[in-house]
Amino acid sequence: DADVTQTPRNRITKTGKRIMLECSQTKGHDRMYWYRQDPGLGLRLIYYSFDVKDINKGEISDGYSVSRQAQAKFSLSLESAIPNQTALYFCATRYSTGELFFGEGSRLTVL
Amino acid sequence: GENVEQHPSTLSVQEGDSAVIKCTYSDSASNYFPWYKQELGKRPQLIIDIRSNVGEKKDQRIAVTLNKTAKHFSLHITETQPEDSAVYFCAATDSWGKFQFGAGTQVVVTP
Repeated sequence: DADVTQTPRNRITKTGKRIMLECSQTKGHDRMYWYRQDPGLGLRLIYYSFDVKDINKGEISDGYSVSRQAQAKFSLSLESAIPNQTALYFCATRYSTGELFFGEGSRLTVL
Repeated sequence: GENVEQHPSTLSVQEGDSAVIKCTYSDSASNYFPWYKQELGKRPQLIIDIRSNVGEKKDQRIAVTLNKTAKHFSLHITETQPEDSAVYFCAATDSWGKFQFGAGTQVVVTP
């Protein structure tokens, strides 16, 4: 299985702060994704990237930005965090037409 | 874009009975339909998937059926056990690899 590592695993921050969630993978998968999970809403796509030069918005990209620093690294930033961005964030990777492999998640609390 | 609806949102079954979760999708271009299981505090993990050129797939106690004409697919769990208790997500994606998830079904298996 792909090794998808997310840091930090837990973060508490204050409204207005800039936050970065990092994701790295060791399997050489070309496609990387950021999802947000809220109770009862499933997994909603924030951004996705098919390679270093190809980054696309998902359904809930407002208030977020991403950076694909290398094939193995895909970071999610909250420019100015707000309380309704409190959620569990998952990074995921995929090789071509295969399954999604999820990281262990980053729980973010914005006070 | 793709829209995936999942029902029911919660499902309580007696141990040994069967569980069925249904999903519908909107984009006829979708061609890959995975099911993920998420245990409490864990990441979602793939349990079974089906592609659009197949109508049914089975793996031990788990099966998935796909009706492309009606644009719906279902997860069937037979002989449920307490360890089947979890949240289950369906998803649909097209060849571009943009996954859309359902809202999830909380399955509770009571002894």
